[in-house]
Amino acid sequence: GQNIDQPTEMTATEGAIVQINCTYQTSGFNGLFWYQQHAGEAPTFLSYNVLDGLEEKGRFSSFLSRSKGYSYLLLKELQMKDSASYLCAVSPYGGATNKLIFGTGTLLAVQP
Amino acid sequence: DVKVTQSSRYLVKRTGEKVFLECVQDMDHENMFWYRQDPGLGLRLIYFSYDVKMKEKGDIPEGYSVSREKKERFSLILESASTNQTSMYLCASSSGRTGGLSGANVLTFGAGSRLTVL
Repeated sequence: GQNIDQPTEMTATEGAIVQINCTYQTSGFNGLFWYQQHAGEAPTFLSYNVLDGLEEKGRFSSFLSRSKGYSYLLLKELQMKDSASYLCAVSPYGGATNKLIFGTGTLLAVQP
Repeated sequence: DVKVTQSSRYLVKRTGEKVFLECVQDMDHENMFWYRQDPGLGLRLIYFSYDVKMKEKGDIPEGYSVSREKKERFSLILESASTNQTSMYLCASSSGRTGGLSGANVLTFGAGSRLTVL
């Protein structure tokens, strides 16, 4: 079966660093995605990892270890606007079928 | 700058009614998807389409059907709405057919349609 796990909720302080973990067990692997979703809005793409290692994009970084089935999203210099749900998603299939399997999301609350 | 447009943000329907949710994308994407999002369950794939008139079932297709007569438009149909179909419905699209480093799997989502079935 397909399974993606991430914490349900996290709280962090403005200006701090927070790490959101994601573990996955899927029938195949063709990349891992992180999306951000503010309340009442559409999810928006943050990052994509297909090879092991760290991908950095401004204040956000994403790490992948394929052998461990593990990823994390690192948010630095937290701002109040970072309060949102963060969705981890895996693409288990290659070729013409590129549908994603999503985790349940981590709701991050940034406090002053 | 809006790229994926869902026709209705909020709908209230009665049990047994036929419901149409429309989605249009202006990015010339081949792939389109319908997900539903429920608290504690995350996003679950209902149906997807990788070409005009082509459709494939996702993980939870029961009670739903879809139509893709034009490349830019993907419709979700609830033939006879039930209360357990009360949910947020998200349409998404992506370019290309293959994944890998091309990033072709990146989904662009619409703002969502919140459906309440009474």
